[in-house]
Amino acid sequence: KAGVTQTPRYLIKTRGQQVTLSCSPISGHRSVSWYQQTPGQGLQFLFEYFSETQRNKGNFPGRFSGRQFSNSRSEMNVSTLELGDSALYLCASSPSLAGGRGEQFFGPGTRLTVL
Amino acid sequence: QKEVEQDPGPLSVPEGAIVSLNCTYSNSAFQYFMWYRQYSRKGPELLMYTYSSGNKEDGRFTAQVDKSSKYISLFIRDSQPSDSATYLCAMKETSGSRLTFGEGTQLTVNP
Repeated sequence: KAGVTQTPRYLIKTRGQQVTLSCSPISGHRSVSWYQQTPGQGLQFLFEYFSETQRNKGNFPGRFSGRQFSNSRSEMNVSTLELGDSALYLCASSPSLAGGRGEQFFGPGTRLTVL
Repeated sequence: QKEVEQDPGPLSVPEGAIVSLNCTYSNSAFQYFMWYRQYSRKGPELLMYTYSSGNKEDGRFTAQVDKSSKYISLFIRDSQPSDSATYLCAMKETSGSRLTFGEGTQLTVNP
């Protein structure tokens, strides 16, 4: 079974630009969560999508948004990029809304550098 | 104060040593406890998963949860150079899927 895939793997942008990252979950998984990983803050939860609806949201500004498609693939968008947005963005998939066990499987991440 | 505290290390041990990694937490609502391993430039890989208090063993890995002390541990027996990675503890409440992570401990196992 293929794992979680994320594209692109690396991205370089300049301040003020916007960026869209893509995530394809494990086949059959319907829940997709996004996390930001930085050396200073570690892994922080951005949001979760299930059945094309945002179910949970972390403490990030409105510049960070996402969506999920009917095939469970998800995208996240960051507008008006700031230097501090440089990070590894990780996508995790789970079979369900994870009200129970909540095992999440991570993709390799997209490394975003903002210049 | 962070909800989950984890000593970032670095931790360096000789091959074959027993490694002990720990996290403490403050949120009593956490019910699910996980350990992830992350190699450089890779995504986190789920290693161990425990519900509530107790022990769980999987090969050379043992996870322990003590909810009364709000303390979780991961033990690695007969450590190997391939175990060199960053180990992240993560926790979750009963509802929702948000994982709260520790900072991660960087482990190096020297041959």
